[in-house]
Amino acid sequence: KAGVTQTPRYLIKTRGQQVTLSCSPISGHRSVSWYQQTPGQGLQFLFEYFSETQRNKGNFPGRFSGRQFSNSRSEMNVSTLELGDSALYLCASSLEGVTNYGYTFGSGTRLTVV
Amino acid sequence: ILNVEQSPQSLHVQEGDSTNFTCSFPSSNFYALHWYRWETAKSPEALFVMTLNGDEKKKGQISATLNTKEGYSYLYIKGSQPEDSATYLCAFKDSGSNTGKLIFGQGTTLQVKP
Repeated sequence: KAGVTQTPRYLIKTRGQQVTLSCSPISGHRSVSWYQQTPGQGLQFLFEYFSETQRNKGNFPGRFSGRQFSNSRSEMNVSTLELGDSALYLCASSLEGVTNYGYTFGSGTRLTVV
Repeated sequence: ILNVEQSPQSLHVQEGDSTNFTCSFPSSNFYALHWYRWETAKSPEALFVMTLNGDEKKKGQISATLNTKEGYSYLYIKGSQPEDSATYLCAFKDSGSNTGKLIFGQGTTLQVKP
């Protein structure tokens, strides 16, 4: 069965621009979480969507937003990009969020802001 | 602020050596502790999800133990092989919500030399 698909894999943007990243979860999974990894930092939780609703949000500014569609695909948007937003963005999917089997991660989108 | 600490930060061992890492997490409001293996250029892959104090789980030559009362988990690799080289992440899930939010440690990077 297909895994978690993230697009694009790499992205270069200029400060001040906005960007949209996409995540398609495993078929049947309704929970999608987003994480950011910057150099020297562990994975930081951004937000989680379940059945098109944001269930939880991490400690990130309002420039970071997301949404989930009826087919469970999720997008995250970062507006007014800053250099510090350069990071690897990972999404993870699970059936319902609470899982005894762990989350399935995508390969990530590497965002570089110049 | 919930904090998850992993030690050591990195480890270099010879093929055949056994090794172990530590994950420390809050001992209150515990729900689950996840372990992931993250190989370079790949996605994090779930190893274990542990929920009960005293839990011991095993997958091949990798095993993990859990102590929720004192807030730590150990990951053991018996007879390390070069293909075990990866970053090992632990992640804490608290009982405060039923969402998919995980708090990750910064990881232990293992390098196994042939």
